[in-house]
Amino acid sequence: NAGVTQTPKFRVLKTGQSMTLLCAQDMNHEYMYWYRQDPGMGLRLIHYSVGEGTTAKGEVPDGYNVSRLKKQNFLLGLESAAPSQTSVYFCASRLDALGNEQYFGPGTRLTVT
Amino acid sequence: KQEVTQIPAALSVPEGENLVLNCSFTDSAIYNLQWFRQDPGKGLTSLLLIQSSQREQTSGRLNASLDKSSGRSTLYIAASQPGDSATYLCALPDNAGNNRKLIWGLGTSLGVNP
Repeated sequence: NAGVTQTPKFRVLKTGQSMTLLCAQDMNHEYMYWYRQDPGMGLRLIHYSVGEGTTAKGEVPDGYNVSRLKKQNFLLGLESAAPSQTSVYFCASRLDALGNEQYFGPGTRLTVT
Repeated sequence: KQEVTQIPAALSVPEGENLVLNCSFTDSAIYNLQWFRQDPGKGLTSLLLIQSSQREQTSGRLNASLDKSSGRSTLYIAASQPGDSATYLCALPDNAGNNRKLIWGLGTSLGVNP
């Protein structure tokens, strides 16, 4: 099993550009998450999904959109990137809500200039 | 609302020392608690998951304990090594949100000096 994978690993965008981050998991997990991590701020939840075709907002959803068309994939989109979105983005997955471990991808380092 | 606190924010110890990292939470009605490790520039690795019905879980030199009544979990690291240097985070499900999301502490940054 590859676990949770993320593409790309690094990206530099100019303000106003758009991009999509891809997260894939091969563990048949129902729940998937997108977080951002900034120095001194800890992990903050952007959006999450509790199953194929579902999405929900987390703590900091503004400026981001997500889609879960297939159970194994969770996409995070930035329609018009802003410097405030410079961060490290982590995807995670969990089998369900009932006492299971959460697994993380290696992260995507995004810089918006 | 559940809140998770990890104190201290940073800790530096000499190699070989046994140490304890702390995680406190405000609502004792938890489902489980998970400890993670994060190396600089890397993702998070799950270390231990302790269920609410358990008092402790062990993996190698790591032992996590859970005391729901006092709202506290500890991660004990025996015979620390420089390779243990990392940030350690604890997280637990948000029971107010049907356990769909995890509530995170800010972590303890551990340095083990050779």
